[in-house]
Amino acid sequence: GAGVSQSPSNKVTEKGKDVELRCDPISGHTALYWYRQSLGQGLEFLIYFQGNSAPDKSGLPSDRFSAERTGGSVSTLTIQRTQQEDSAVYLCASSPFSGGQYFGPGTRLTVL
Amino acid sequence: QQPVQSPQAVILREGEDAVINCSSSKALYSVHWYRQKHGEAPIFLMILLKGGEQKGHDKISASFNEKKQQSSLYLTASQLSYSGTYFCGTESMRNQGGKLIFGQGTELSVKP
Repeated sequence: GAGVSQSPSNKVTEKGKDVELRCDPISGHTALYWYRQSLGQGLEFLIYFQGNSAPDKSGLPSDRFSAERTGGSVSTLTIQRTQQEDSAVYLCASSPFSGGQYFGPGTRLTVL
Repeated sequence: QQPVQSPQAVILREGEDAVINCSSSKALYSVHWYRQKHGEAPIFLMILLKGGEQKGHDKISASFNEKKQQSSLYLTASQLSYSGTYFCGTESMRNQGGKLIFGQGTELSVKP
């Protein structure tokens, strides 16, 4: 079946612009996660959703970051007024009830 | 708090064995293991729940010692395809929705 998909695959933007990153989870997966991975680094938790609710937003680096999920499916991560330190690969994962997280291919964000 | 993985890197010859350790300072509910190849998304390998269980498939297995808050990943008779960066992800409490904190990764290189 189809895996997790993310769009765009690459995004180059100028400092100060807003960006939206999209995640389509695996159908039927109720939990959805956003992570950030800088070059050569581990995965940094940002936020997770259970259905449309986000019980834990503790990983969002600043109030410039926000995320929403609609219909228990698609999620959007928005970064306002992007900064150069926001440059990273943003990974989305979804999880079935039985556990394990299935990652999408990621969006590589470059802020010039 | 981020779990600590050791070693940071290991080089093997095809057919050799390796052990990767993951240690946390917090009580753990579960430990996940993932493998990430360069430029690709992490792939879920297995999840271990507290109770000291051991899991495995093919020649990759793992154990979880909840008293020591440690997990180990065992790779037996390594193959070239095992090369990549291995991450452990830890879940410290039940009902956190599967929120994981990842270690910094262990880079494994298998040479012919």
